[in-house]
Amino acid sequence: DAGVIQSPRHEVTEMGQEVTLRCKPISGHDYLFWYRQTMMRGLELLIYFNNNVPIDDSGMPEDRFSAKMPNASFSTLKIQPSEPRDSAVYFCASSRGRAQYFGPGTRLLVL
Amino acid sequence: SQQGEEDPQALSIQEGENATMNCSYKTSINNLQWYRQNSGRGLVHLILIRSNEREKHSGRLRVTLDTSKKSSSLLITASRAADTASYFCATDENYGQNFVFGPGTRLSVLP
Repeated sequence: DAGVIQSPRHEVTEMGQEVTLRCKPISGHDYLFWYRQTMMRGLELLIYFNNNVPIDDSGMPEDRFSAKMPNASFSTLKIQPSEPRDSAVYFCASSRGRAQYFGPGTRLLVL
Repeated sequence: SQQGEEDPQALSIQEGENATMNCSYKTSINNLQWYRQNSGRGLVHLILIRSNEREKHSGRLRVTLDTSKKSSSLLITASRAADTASYFCATDENYGQNFVFGPGTRLSVLP
């Protein structure tokens, strides 16, 4: 298995632009998680899905953030409009049991 | 607030020595997990210990759990330079499905 796939790996954008991050979970996994990691705040859970249904989005910082999971093999995290404080590494992870498998992350820089 | 808090924040040891990291948490849990993150990479699951277990081994890793003290420790024996990474504990806050990660311990193993 290729593991969790994220794209793009790096994204540099200007403030106000829309940013879309993509994730392909491991086949057969029924949970998908989106995290954000910064030096100041560590690893934060943004939202997680079970069988494509959002279960807990209480970690989504603002209405500018939205996430979708249209099917079992694809999820997106969208930031619109982006702000410099959104600069971070965004991780997607999937699981079938308790252990989570993380993707390599998307390093986002908003100028 | 952080559920898991690792201690120390940073640890530097010589190759061949043992490394011990601690994690404290606040609420009741079903499971506690330890993850490793190499620089610039996603997190990798190391080991899961259930609340009814006191100790678990996996290769050079030994994890203990003391639910009465709400604490866990990760011991890496005979450390290698390749063990240099950040180590995170994660707990299922109040028996939830999502895991809350601590700020991590940065381990440096010097050759």
